[in-house]
Amino acid sequence: DQQVKQNSPSLSVQEGRISILNCDYTNSMFDYFLWYKKYPAEGPTFLISISSIKDKNEDGRFTVFLNKSAKHLSLHIVPSQPGDSAVYFCAASGSGNNRKLIWGLGTSLAVNP
Amino acid sequence: DGGITQSPKYLFRKEGQNVTLSCEQNLNHDAMYWYRQDPGQGLRLIYYSQIVNDFQKGDIAEGYSVSREKKESFPLTVTSAQKNPTAFYLCASRKWDTNQPQHFGDGTRLSIL
Repeated sequence: DQQVKQNSPSLSVQEGRISILNCDYTNSMFDYFLWYKKYPAEGPTFLISISSIKDKNEDGRFTVFLNKSAKHLSLHIVPSQPGDSAVYFCAASGSGNNRKLIWGLGTSLAVNP
Repeated sequence: DGGITQSPKYLFRKEGQNVTLSCEQNLNHDAMYWYRQDPGQGLRLIYYSQIVNDFQKGDIAEGYSVSREKKESFPLTVTSAQKNPTAFYLCASRKWDTNQPQHFGDGTRLSIL
């Protein structure tokens, strides 16, 4: 059973507009959430994270919002650029020594010029 | 420049052969991880290691083996017992402090001849 769900396999936006990628989780013990960006045939690159004590974290064009009651987080990219076209993965982990990451299946973002 | 190096980039194996994938990091990270990615899927954890000379099975460890003799190195052996080894293999590492992200190498693509 998928504990981290990215329900949109793909998203297409115009350059300069906002991209919103969504992620839902089922395990209320998750307390740390991350977004990664991945190009084909490369490893994922860490983008931004948020702990459960916050509801928003911002880094340049990237902002992650966390709604714990809804078990939902989203990544906003503003403004979107063609170089942002990639697959975006949401991941979550709980407390404990191993802090294993549980991954979503990814959303493929296409930013059109 | 610090980073994670995976080699080779592409690897071919004949059926019945064992192959070893290399992963080296110079980030002084404590923990190291091996993941497998199949088309249209998220990342699945094979093995991880928190400290030297210790490692734990992930979710899909059958048919794989690892060692962690040095902090910098975490090689993965794909044995002949792994019935479907064709995949993209990713190595990651992280500092063991709370809420530190995993950082990834560029992956090794393994194919069966």
